[in-house]
Amino acid sequence: GENVEQHPSTLSVQEGDSAVIKCTYSDSASNYFPWYKQELGKRPQLIIDIRSNVGEKKDQRIAVTLNKTAKHFSLHITETQPEDSAVYFCAASNGDSSYKLIFGSGTRLLVRP
Amino acid sequence: SQTIHQWPATLVQPVGSPLSLECTVEGTSNPNLYWYRQAAGRGLQLLFYSVGIGQISSEVPQNLSASRPQDRQFILSSKKLLLSDSSFYLCAFSWGTDTQYFGPGTRLTVL
Repeated sequence: GENVEQHPSTLSVQEGDSAVIKCTYSDSASNYFPWYKQELGKRPQLIIDIRSNVGEKKDQRIAVTLNKTAKHFSLHITETQPEDSAVYFCAASNGDSSYKLIFGSGTRLLVRP
Repeated sequence: SQTIHQWPATLVQPVGSPLSLECTVEGTSNPNLYWYRQAAGRGLQLLFYSVGIGQISSEVPQNLSASRPQDRQFILSSKKLLLSDSSFYLCAFSWGTDTQYFGPGTRLTVL
């Protein structure tokens, strides 16, 4: 079955710097890759996603890149702000009718003011 | 627009007691529904998913069960809670695509 690995587990950056979180997946049939942000005690919120027919997607300060050959995808946050501090999860879906997502283990991002 | 509700928001139960958590979705029909568990400081573990009424798939064998008595209702149950069942339980739905949206969650403490 699908396995998603996420690195790093924790990331501390200075406000204004960029942050990059990387995920690798094992199932070449996976074709959908969302990223979720979870603040303490809250539900995970979808922040950006990408499908396998696209190599990069950007939404303001957030971007996601996908390398299907290497089976890895990354989240890039530019000009980080303290409110970006949260746990970020990547996930992968093989697109069958169950629409199951396999999640990475999460990255705790701390943005230092 | 679609919305998802969970209740209760928090629950404290003694070991050995039964459990019933409810999730409902509004604004859509025939959604896929999912139950996840998240231990403190940990990742998301998929417990059950359902693609239709009465159709439940289990991902992890344990003392929990799920039911879908109505199209937009998903229930997580246990006959006897264990200490290890203490966790944050999240319901999610998808509709027509693989994009999942999460409910607000239920924080369960078993004492």
